[in-house]
Amino acid sequence: DVKVTQSSRYLVKRTGEKVFLECVQDMDHENMFWYRQDPGLGLRLIYFSYDVKMKEKGDIPEGYSVSREKKERFSLILESASTNQTSMYLCASRGTGRTNEKLFFGSGTQLSVL
Amino acid sequence: LAKTTQPISMDSYEGQEVNITCSHNNIATNDYITWYQQFPSQGPRFIIQGYKTKVTNEVASLFIPADRKSSTLSLPRVSLSDTAVYYCLVGSSGGYNKLIFGAGTRLAVHP
Repeated sequence: DVKVTQSSRYLVKRTGEKVFLECVQDMDHENMFWYRQDPGLGLRLIYFSYDVKMKEKGDIPEGYSVSREKKERFSLILESASTNQTSMYLCASRGTGRTNEKLFFGSGTQLSVL
Repeated sequence: LAKTTQPISMDSYEGQEVNITCSHNNIATNDYITWYQQFPSQGPRFIIQGYKTKVTNEVASLFIPADRKSSTLSLPRVSLSDTAVYYCLVGSSGGYNKLIFGAGTRLAVHP
């Protein structure tokens, strides 16, 4: 089974701190995604990456950046955390093939910014 | 990018069949339709995927009409453990693929 591992299940940070959320997948997937989830808003795409060092903005990239130096790892960076970034963050990966590939999600990181 | 629209919530009772419909009027030729299930404090997990007509697996069926502008997830004989949020996702298998989820449907199954 594909495994998508997020480094922390719960994280508490202070306003203004630089925050790193790490995600690792073990299936050699080309595509990786970062979503945030807030009550009543579903999943909103922050950034995605379709190859090493390649990244594209999602719907809500403001206040975030990402890094993909190795194929298996996709990091989400909050340059200066703010209270409105308190949320559940979900990482996902997906392969690329002639038939459609499904998304595999990690368990999520619940981030609280105080 | 195909946008999806689903009912916000649904209620059902144990043993009933539940049908959740998703609208995706601007679906592209290369797009597949995929449904995910999410329990509280967990990431979504894949349920079923289809391109056209009908697909069935051990947990659900997916009905897609000929124009592909909508799809219906059918859950036979639901139980309390099927209480979850269900998401419809439309997208292709290309490498450059921005996968956007809708708000999902919150299904509550009652005893």
